[in-house]
Amino acid sequence: GAVVSQHPSWVICKSGTSVKIECRSLDFQATTMFWYRQFPKQSLMLMATSNEGSKATYEQGVEKDKFLINHASLTLSTLTVTSAHPEDSSFYICSAHSAGYNEQFFGPGTRLTVL
Amino acid sequence: KQEVTQIPAALSVPEGENLVLNCSFTDSAIYNLQWFRQDPGKGLTSLLLIQSSQREQTSGRLNASLDKSSGRSTLYIAASQPGDSATYLCAVDPGTDKLIFGTGTRLQVFP
Repeated sequence: GAVVSQHPSWVICKSGTSVKIECRSLDFQATTMFWYRQFPKQSLMLMATSNEGSKATYEQGVEKDKFLINHASLTLSTLTVTSAHPEDSSFYICSAHSAGYNEQFFGPGTRLTVL
Repeated sequence: KQEVTQIPAALSVPEGENLVLNCSFTDSAIYNLQWFRQDPGKGLTSLLLIQSSQREQTSGRLNASLDKSSGRSTLYIAASQPGDSATYLCAVDPGTDKLIFGTGTRLQVFP
């Protein structure tokens, strides 16, 4: 299967700072990337859908000004958590989809801890 | 609104047992259903994907079935091993590529 990477794998930051998480498709071009959030002992919840070259679409209840998504190329999408607060501490996972595949491929996740 | 539920929430068994994990969804209009494995603090590993037109898929000791009309899928794990210990998630694709995940089953297989 195709490989998706995320960087960093974990990050600790102070409250009020911004954190950028990268999601890369390593061996295929991803026309669409998805960002999920997973709180402890809960399932994954879709935050937003990112299409290359266009604005991301956000799920209900997700603040677009707080979670900035950029999908500048077919292999890279970034999620920036702006003015992070402790309640933003979570596990963020991206997935990538290509028209040539019938499924999404998931990254290894990024653990964000906001102090 | 599609809701996906998994039963049981947690399961602890001795190795060698055959296991059944259940996934139910409220809206039968799905494009496909996928089973994933997640190890603690890690991302997702895709196990099996069943298209809406299919009834089951098999990979090694894993077999997943799909009954779309009744809104159910079952993941069968044969001859469980300690290495199978993980959280198992099912997810449905309603045709938008936006996966809706179940609540997960935390499995522990002890020697």
